[in-house]
Amino acid sequence: KAGVTQTPRYLIKTRGQQVTLSCSPISGHRSVSWYQQTPGQGLQFLFEYFSETQRNKGNFPGRFSGRQFSNSRSEMNVSTLELGDSALYLCASSVSGRSDEQYFGPGTRLTVT
Amino acid sequence: LAKTTQPISMDSYEGQEVNITCSHNNIATNDYITWYQQFPSQGPRFIIQGYKTKVTNEVASLFIPADRKSSTLSLPRVSLSDTAVYYCLVGPGGGGNKLTFGTGTQLKVEL
Repeated sequence: KAGVTQTPRYLIKTRGQQVTLSCSPISGHRSVSWYQQTPGQGLQFLFEYFSETQRNKGNFPGRFSGRQFSNSRSEMNVSTLELGDSALYLCASSVSGRSDEQYFGPGTRLTVT
Repeated sequence: LAKTTQPISMDSYEGQEVNITCSHNNIATNDYITWYQQFPSQGPRFIIQGYKTKVTNEVASLFIPADRKSSTLSLPRVSLSDTAVYYCLVGPGGGGNKLTFGTGTQLKVEL
């Protein structure tokens, strides 16, 4: 079956703008998590959605938000972009999000200039 | 989630067995140990998960001693394509929906 897909794959934005990233989980997976990966901070957990509800949240400012739709697809939004938001944003899905394997997408490479 | 410590990097040659050890002294009773592999500009990929003793799948083996304060990922007969970063994670049910990644181990396999 198809893997996790993320769109767009690459994005260039200017400071102060906002951006929306999209993630389509594997069919049947209800949990979607978002991660930010940078050379300096490594992979960091942003938040997790399950059945359209945010179930867990990492230590990121309120500029980072997300949502999940009834078909489990998820979007992540970053407002008022800063240079430090340049990163690879990864989405991962799993069946339930508990005690099970996470499947990661290829990521969206965001560059903020 | 329990903090993990891994070597920053390891070098090996094709055909050799590679063992990457991870320390997790504060592992909790209900924590699992999970390993992920990541290639550049790609998302991490699940390798193996275990709770105690030994777990083996078609890709790797995971050895966990009785005290569970460490674990060793064993990759048999590595090839160039095994060059990647390997992450050890410890948490309830393998970290479940909130994975905490450490710095990982950069494995470089040469001819």
